[in-house]
Amino acid sequence: AQKVTQAQTEISVVEKEDVTLDCVYETRDTTYYLFWYKQPPSGELVFLIRRNSFDEQNEISGRYSWNFQKSTSSFNFTITASQVVDSAVYFCALNEETSGSRLTFGEGTQLTVNP
Amino acid sequence: DTAVSQTPKYLVTQMGNDKSIKCEQNLGHDTMYWYKQDSKKFLKIMFSYNNKELIINETVPNRFSPKSPDKAHLNLHINSLELGDSAVYFCASSQDLGLPYEQYFGPGTRLTVT
Repeated sequence: AQKVTQAQTEISVVEKEDVTLDCVYETRDTTYYLFWYKQPPSGELVFLIRRNSFDEQNEISGRYSWNFQKSTSSFNFTITASQVVDSAVYFCALNEETSGSRLTFGEGTQLTVNP
Repeated sequence: DTAVSQTPKYLVTQMGNDKSIKCEQNLGHDTMYWYKQDSKKFLKIMFSYNNKELIINETVPNRFSPKSPDKAHLNLHINSLELGDSAVYFCASSQDLGLPYEQYFGPGTRLTVT
């Protein structure tokens, strides 16, 4: 069965600090996809990234970077030089190839960036 | 232009009532979903439709009935509302059923049952 664990319920940092949000997943499939979504205080869910299980290259997009390590079943998300606007709940999600389009979400990490 | 829209944004109603939430996407996607987000922010899929056909039906009480009149719309009707139905309901859509394309979410409907 697929499972996603985000052990950090809440993180609080001061602006300009770097912060890493952890995501650990469980799956029996060899083909799967990992996602990160952001939910700002306004409530909508914003897609950030999708990675497939065959591509372990790290990805960087501006101040955001993602570290995918199959050996530890982790897909961690780092925000560099955090800003107040980064304050949100961040969700990691998993899709197994055998589960169709079903997304399993982690519990989310509430990130608060203080000025 | 709003990609995935939901109405209403807020819904307050009493126990026992029947209510509907509407969802529309203008992205040309084939697949649409309903998710429930509880008070602890946990997100769980409820239903998935592909081209008006039900694909995923999680363990949801049969008081919840999705209806897809066309592939751009997926409405959620809830009968005999209960206190535990209070949550934020999100509609989402994605490009194709076969591949795990990213899902685009609507703004959510906050349902409060009193």
